[in-house]
Amino acid sequence: GESVGLHLPTLSVQEGDNSIINCAYSNSASDYFIWYKQESGKGPQFIIDIRSNMDKRQGQRVTVLLNKTVKHLSLQIAATQPGDSAVYFCADLEYGNKLVFGAGTILRVKS
Amino acid sequence: NAGVTQTPKFRILKIGQSMTLQCTQDMNHNYMYWYRQDPGMGLKLIYYSVGAGITDKGEVPNGYNVSRSTTEDFPLRLELAAPSQTSVYFCASSSVGGGTYEQYFGPGTRLTVT
Repeated sequence: GESVGLHLPTLSVQEGDNSIINCAYSNSASDYFIWYKQESGKGPQFIIDIRSNMDKRQGQRVTVLLNKTVKHLSLQIAATQPGDSAVYFCADLEYGNKLVFGAGTILRVKS
Repeated sequence: NAGVTQTPKFRILKIGQSMTLQCTQDMNHNYMYWYRQDPGMGLKLIYYSVGAGITDKGEVPNGYNVSRSTTEDFPLRLELAAPSQTSVYFCASSSVGGGTYEQYFGPGTRLTVT
């Protein structure tokens, strides 16, 4: 059968380095964005969100940057740890309070 | 709080069989959602509900049905299972308001149709 993650882009980083995961969105009217982390065999977990009236929002070891001009989001993880290994999804909010998820990026942390 | 719970965790169905995937949340959330996730892909919305008695189709509703008779429960029904419905199914809930639209996800049900 098909392997999980076969079609997803992969980012490999060394433990302790910073990671940057990118996401492009298409709906210029979107005004809310959210990042989720999904570990193998589990449901997605909320990381951080941002509204379109902000360019940047910081959490614990994570920062989300929003560039509305080029419709681009990025998630920065500082001092990446082995526990950060997962698939990361961005999503934007559409009419009816529905989140539309991107395809995801696999983050692999090398020790 | 248990959050969002889903049963069963795993299930194998034969083509043409039917089953119901159960989802319960104990956070008094008004919004509930069903997604499917195919290998190496993102989540696709099947159905959602904005409150008891109200349901609406998402991106990929064909072959599925839902009901929402209570705030807590949002079962997903598969009639006449097909191999194309082999996937991992996630239920989620959210409480809209306060500036956040975070959805809380259950652990998923892995379904194989052979």
